[in-house]
Amino acid sequence: DQQVKQNSPSLSVQEGRISILNCDYTNSMFDYFLWYKKYPAEGPTFLISISSIKDKNEDGRFTVFLNKSAKHLSLHIVPSQPGDSAVYFCAASRPNTGNQFYFGTGTSLTVIP
Amino acid sequence: ETGVTQTPRHLVMGMTNKKSLKCEQHLGHNAMYWYKQSAKKPLELMFVYNFKEQTENNSVPSRFSPECPNSSHLFLHLHTLQPEDSALYLCASSQGSSGDTQYFGPGTRLTVL
Repeated sequence: DQQVKQNSPSLSVQEGRISILNCDYTNSMFDYFLWYKKYPAEGPTFLISISSIKDKNEDGRFTVFLNKSAKHLSLHIVPSQPGDSAVYFCAASRPNTGNQFYFGTGTSLTVIP
Repeated sequence: ETGVTQTPRHLVMGMTNKKSLKCEQHLGHNAMYWYKQSAKKPLELMFVYNFKEQTENNSVPSRFSPECPNSSHLFLHLHTLQPEDSALYLCASSQGSSGDTQYFGPGTRLTVL
């Protein structure tokens, strides 16, 4: 049973506009969330994380929002750039599980110049 | 070399072959992981090693056999695989084993004929 879901397999956004990638989870015990970015023929690279004690974390153009009551997080990229075109994975973990992360299936973002 | 490297990048094997995937991390991390990524499925954690000791085995069939001779190297030995084992196999490492960000290698694309 998939505990982390990314229901949009793909997203297209115009350059300069905001990209919003969504992620839902089912396990209320999750307390740490990450976003990874993956280019073709490369492994996922860490982008940004958030702990459940926060509801927002910002790093440059990237902001992650966490809504614990809705079990939902989102990644905002603003302004979007063509180099942001990649697959974005959401991941979650819970305490005392030996660093086991549960991943979503990914959302492929295309930023149109 | 920096980061996490994996060899080979592509592998085609028959069901009766024996092959090994190799992962090396140059980050001084203490934990290493094997993941499987099948098409349209989330990353599935296979094995976790902390300080060379296996701490997780997520019900992986015995035809996959991991080996961790030291904290920098991780192998996945493959024997009598099935066509449904064809996938991208990703190695990752992290500083510790609890909530630390994982850094991924580029993966090995495995095809079982």
